[in-house]
Amino acid sequence: GAGVSQTPSNKVTEKGKYVELRCDPISGHTALYWYRQSLGQGPEFLIYFQGTGAADDSGLPNDRFFAVRPEGSVSTLKIQRTERGDSAVYLCASSENPLGLASGELFFGEGSRLTVL
Amino acid sequence: AQSVTQLGSHVSVSEGALVLLRCNYSSSVPPYLFWYVQYPNQGLQLLLKYTTGATLVKGINGFEAEFKKSETSFHLTKPSAHMSDAAEYFCAVSDRAAGNKLTFGGGTRVLVKP
Repeated sequence: GAGVSQTPSNKVTEKGKYVELRCDPISGHTALYWYRQSLGQGPEFLIYFQGTGAADDSGLPNDRFFAVRPEGSVSTLKIQRTERGDSAVYLCASSENPLGLASGELFFGEGSRLTVL
Repeated sequence: AQSVTQLGSHVSVSEGALVLLRCNYSSSVPPYLFWYVQYPNQGLQLLLKYTTGATLVKGINGFEAEFKKSETSFHLTKPSAHMSDAAEYFCAVSDRAAGNKLTFGGGTRVLVKP
């Protein structure tokens, strides 16, 4: 498809378990972003990749959260020892060229809804 | 640090009436500003954006927004609401010095009454 693809669309897990969420960005987009959207709130920034490297991970809430993008395309958000407070929709977005002043638009996937019981 | 404030978490309008969603921002640099819409069980979709130039920007579905630097505002309007406009709307500011990282407001849910 032409858009940002996220899998799984829904994930239910138990407290303490490990979870991986996958994002497949738009082909050719060099920048990739992860956001978290809790119920009734706006998306909150987690981490941003430029190519393979994490350019800004200031939004990761603690060391249980980690993300990778080993080949500069697909990214995986990893959450260890999940807690009930991690329940949210995790959104992925990609951008063609974050350094381009004329752009700035992020294209979002439909999100992965995580429920921690 | 940048921030966005959306006044009113819920707005109810009658079909055919004016839609006005308020957004104020703070930014230490000239901002890029965005409005995104989120329909139920769907991803965020860009409505419109301001980067440079004309301060009145037009977007999809008849929406427009005006950048007012003196008021640090970027309010979204549509002259005549349609039932299909029922959704949640998010204002966002971009940090161009940080890879276009977006900071979002809390969102405004729009209900359209027939």
